[in-house]
Amino acid sequence: AQSVTQLDSHVSVSEGTPVLLRCNYSSSYSPSLFWYVQHPNKGLQLLLKYTSAATLVKGINGFEAEFKKSETSFHLTKPSAHMSDAAEYFCVDYQTGANNLFFGTGTRLTVIP
Amino acid sequence: DGGITQSPKYLFRKEGQNVTLSCEQNLNHDAMYWYRQDPGQGLRLIYYSQIVNDFQKGDIAEGYSVSREKKESFPLTVTSAQKNPTAFYLCASGGLRETQYFGPGTRLLVL
Repeated sequence: AQSVTQLDSHVSVSEGTPVLLRCNYSSSYSPSLFWYVQHPNKGLQLLLKYTSAATLVKGINGFEAEFKKSETSFHLTKPSAHMSDAAEYFCVDYQTGANNLFFGTGTRLTVIP
Repeated sequence: DGGITQSPKYLFRKEGQNVTLSCEQNLNHDAMYWYRQDPGQGLRLIYYSQIVNDFQKGDIAEGYSVSREKKESFPLTVTSAQKNPTAFYLCASGGLRETQYFGPGTRLLVL
C-alpha cells in the first residue's frame, strides 16, 4: 500500500505568493517524515524533517511543514515563493516496521515571474 | 569539501553490456544506498549496505549488482539482465531515519 501520497503532481505559483505542497501519509505508528527538494539533474537535498518533537517544523530557505495527525498530513508551505524555489519536491516517510523509506511521486513547483 | 560524488554524470550502455556506476562518500557514514528515479515516480531502492562487506537487496534489485569493499565506496553494476536500464541513478549515504545525503546522480541511457 502506498505510504505517502503527494496530492499534486504539478503546482504553479507567481513569484511572491504563498506555496502549498500537499502530502498525506499512512503510517500506523508515529512517523518520521521528510521533505526533500531536487533541482533539475541534481541529487536530493533535505528541506526539513519531523521526528515527533514539534508539530511545526521549520526548514531551510523559509520552508516549513506542519504535522497533523488527525488529518495524516504533512503539507509543505512557504509564505512567499522565489524563482529559485522552482524544483521537484518529495515527501518521504520512514516506516519503522519495514525499516525502509517510502518516497512520494513528487510535486513539480513552477514559479512564474 | 565533504559529500558524495557520483561518476560519470552521463553513461551510455550498449545492448548486452554491463556498466558500472561509481559512488564515493567522505562523510564517514556506515550506510549507503542506491536509488533509481524514473520520470513521474518517486525514488525506488535498488540496494543498500549498512556496513562494509555487507549489502541487501532493495525493492528492485533484479538486473543490478553491488559491492562494498571499502566504507567510502559503493559501486553499482547494471547488468545485461536489466532490460529497462534507462533512468537517473542516485546514490545516498546516512541513516534511513536520519538525513540522507545524495550524490548528484548518473543518467544512464541505452544506445
